[in-house]
Parts: sequence; C-alpha cells; structure tokens
Amino acid sequence: QKEVEQNSGPLSVPEGAIASLNCTYSDRGSQSFFWYRQYSGKSPELIMSIYSNGDKEDGRFTAQLNKASQYVSLLIRDSQPSDSATYLCAVNRGGNQFYFGTGTSLTVIP
Amino acid sequence: GAVVSQHPSRVICKSGTSVKIECRSLDFQATTMFWYRQFPKQSLMLMATSNEGSKATYEQGVEKDKFLINHASLTLSTLTVTSAHPEDSSFYICSARVPNGLGGGYTFGSGTRLTVV
Repeated sequence: QKEVEQNSGPLSVPEGAIASLNCTYSDRGSQSFFWYRQYSGKSPELIMSIYSNGDKEDGRFTAQLNKASQYVSLLIRDSQPSDSATYLCAVNRGGNQFYFGTGTSLTVIP
Repeated sequence: GAVVSQHPSRVICKSGTSVKIECRSLDFQATTMFWYRQFPKQSLMLMATSNEGSKATYEQGVEKDKFLINHASLTLSTLTVTSAHPEDSSFYICSARVPNGLGGGYTFGSGTRLTVV
C-alpha cells in the first residue's frame, strides 16, 4: 500500500466551477498535510497546509482533513484556467519523513 | 519568504561524466535538506536527506556512491551525479524545512533538468 494515494486524473472542470481533489494516506500517525501545485517542468509550490481535523480556507482554496478516515482534500472554488496544473498531496509523519502522492492533473476549461 | 536557490536549472552532459547540482537557502539556515528525483508524469521520490556536518541518509534503492551529497554549511547542499548514464536523466529537486518564523512547512528549489546523452 502506498503511503499517499491520489487519483491521477486527469480531472477537467469548466471555468468558474469547483474542482475537488482527494487524497488518502496510510499511516494514522501522520501529523501534517500539504497541498502543492506543480506546473509542467517546474518545482512544486505550496498552496495549503493543514494540521487538524476540519476545514481550512485560504482565498479560493479550502483544505479538508479527516484523520479518522485518513482523508485530505482540496477544493478550488471559481476555478481559473491558470489553476490547470498537477496537484500533489504530501504527508509528514513527524520529523523529516515526508511523502508525496503521484499527483492529480487538473485542467480548467475556459 | 524562505527561498531555496537551485543551480543549474538545466544541464546536458555526456554519458560517463559527473554533474554537480547546488542548493542554497538564501535567507535562512537549513540544517537538513532533501533531494528528490522526478521522472516524467511521476511523483517526487525522495532520494536522500542531507544533514549539515554529517553523512547523508539515503532512501532504499538509491546508490550513495553514485549520488554524492555534501552539506558542508548551513546554507549549502550539493548533489553530484557521478558517472551519469541516460537512465539518470530526470528532474532533480531539493527542498528544505522552513523555520516556523518564516512560515513553516517545506520549500523547494526550482529544480534541475538533467539530460545525459
């Protein structure tokens, strides 16, 4: 079983819609959770971090964490074409152990 | 914010030669840096953890004699790909933990696209 699993997509949504990205993780001891955006040929950039159960909102982005279900998601409201990228879920189990999912490719259609 | 500068951004080398990639933390000290490799359409795979002043810790399956890591100062870590072969062609990315006072989390270098011909 992989440490972090994501649906590779591609996920296509029309401009202005809500994009929903999902991620599950295997280690119940995981402590912190991150969403990164990666454009083709570029390195990842941090969008959101979340550490406790519930929702965390930042602008058009909302991260949701459910530790009981070992599930973390990212919602992007009012999706824009510039949001088209691969979204990586990352999980930190404490210390320097940091695991990435394979990423979900998102395309926002104008 | 915390920035990690990575150079070169692109390098093409001949098979059998060595290539050095540098990562510098510009406005913070990074006692630990991480080196990742990413093949096309795949996720980042951790290769090794670089520790200032001590030996690097390599992930299973990563040849430490082929991928030499040096972390001689609190702001600089280098990865040297020795005797490079075409199968080493990949996107190499470094990362460092950001102090909480600068936002926390992890920040990435801009990556190095290595092509071995």
